[in-house]
Amino acid sequence: NAGVTQTPKFQVLKTGQSMTLQCAQDMNHNSMYWYRQDPGMGLRLIYYSASEGTTDKGEVPNGYNVSRLNKREFSLRLESAAPSQTSVYFCASSEIRGPADTQYFGPGTRLTVL
Amino acid sequence: AQSVTQLDSQVPVFEEAPVELRCNYSSSVSVYLFWYVQYPNQGLQLLLKYLSGSTLVKGINGFEAEFNKSQTSFHLRKPSVHISDTAEYFCAVSRMDSSYKLIFGSGTRLLVRP
Repeated sequence: NAGVTQTPKFQVLKTGQSMTLQCAQDMNHNSMYWYRQDPGMGLRLIYYSASEGTTDKGEVPNGYNVSRLNKREFSLRLESAAPSQTSVYFCASSEIRGPADTQYFGPGTRLTVL
Repeated sequence: AQSVTQLDSQVPVFEEAPVELRCNYSSSVSVYLFWYVQYPNQGLQLLLKYLSGSTLVKGINGFEAEFNKSQTSFHLRKPSVHISDTAEYFCAVSRMDSSYKLIFGSGTRLLVRP
């Protein structure tokens, strides 16, 4: 099992460019999440998908869109990148959407917006 | 609303010494408690979690944590650290009611020196 995979690992964008971060999991999990990690701030939830076909906003959704393509894949799109979106992005999944459930994280995508 | 405080941003320690990483939380409702570890250039993985029962929880790699409800704390301990324990450690909480959301602390970087 590969677990949670993310592509790309690194990306540099210019302000105003768009891109999509890809995430896939092979654990047959129902719920998937996108976080951003900024120095000194821990992880903050951008969007989540409790199950295939549903998506909801998290703590910091502005400037992002998501698509739950199928049960395995959950993508994050930046339509017009801004320097404030420079961050490390993590995708995670869990078996169910529940407060006691363990989340499994991908290796992250380091994004720099110039 | 919930919040998690990790007072120590960095903890340097010598190999084979004991270590304690502190975590305090604030919540108006009962919570579940988690410790995640992030090794360099990797995603987060679960170390341990407290759901109910015994307040002393044992996790992977010899780590343990104690839930103290009166002090709203969930400190992480290891009696003897190794160089390989060098990583960033995140404390997180989630509400016991229907919410799914993990709230993370800002992280503590454990630096183990030979």
